[in-house]
Amino acid sequence: SQKIEQNSEALNIQEGKTATLTCNYTNYSPAYLQWYRQDPGRGPVFLLLIRENEKEKRKERLKVTFDTTLKQSLFHITASQPADSATYLCALDAGLGYQKVTFGIGTKLQVIP
Amino acid sequence: DGGITQSPKYLFRKEGQNVTLSCEQNLNHDAMYWYRQDPGQGLRLIYYSQIVNDFQKGDIAEGYSVSREKKESFPLTVTSAQKNPTAFYLCASSQHETTNYGYTFGSGTRLTVV
Repeated sequence: SQKIEQNSEALNIQEGKTATLTCNYTNYSPAYLQWYRQDPGRGPVFLLLIRENEKEKRKERLKVTFDTTLKQSLFHITASQPADSATYLCALDAGLGYQKVTFGIGTKLQVIP
Repeated sequence: DGGITQSPKYLFRKEGQNVTLSCEQNLNHDAMYWYRQDPGQGLRLIYYSQIVNDFQKGDIAEGYSVSREKKESFPLTVTSAQKNPTAFYLCASSQHETTNYGYTFGSGTRLTVV
C-alpha cells in the first residue's frame, strides 16, 4: 500500500540555523509533491509545489528538493526564526485526479531563540 | 479577501445526533473537499466535489453525507452512523484538477461527542 513517512517527532533547531525536514514515500509515483505549514488549531497553508521533473524549487527562505529515485523530498528553511515553528506536512499527488492527493502526518518544527 | 470560511469553530454532538458543518468559499474554485484529521494520522479524505450537484466518496465516507447545490458551498453532515466522529474537520478547495497550485484550507471545525 502507499505510504508516506515524515519524522513524526519534533525537530528542534536553534534560531538562524537551517532546518531540514524529510518526506519519504513508498509504493507511489507522484507527479507532484506539495508542502504545507499547519499551526495548532488551524488549517494547513500551501507553501510550495514541485513536479516530478524538477529537482529543486525555491521560495524566499524555503527550498524543496525532489528525488524520485530515492523516493524522497527534503524541505529546507534557511535562517530559521521562532515564527517558523509549526507542523509541516508533505502531500503527494499522483496527478490522476482530485482524489489522489495523500498527506503525511507532518513534522513539528520548534525553532529555539 | 478571498478564502474559505468554516463554521462553527467548535461543535459538540450528542450520541445519535446529526450535525452539519458549514464550508463556504469565495475563490471561485471548482473543486471542494472535506478531510478529517486525527492525532498521529495524516489528513483523510471524506468527500470531494468537482462541480455543482456532483460529489464523490473519499476514503472514509461512511457515516457522512454532503451536498453541493452552489459552487461556493459544500456542507458536511456527520450522521449518527459515524461511530467515532470526534476529530478536526478541514474543508479545502482547489482551482485545477491536478491540484498543481495546492489546496486552500479553511480554519477547521473541531467536533466533539459529548
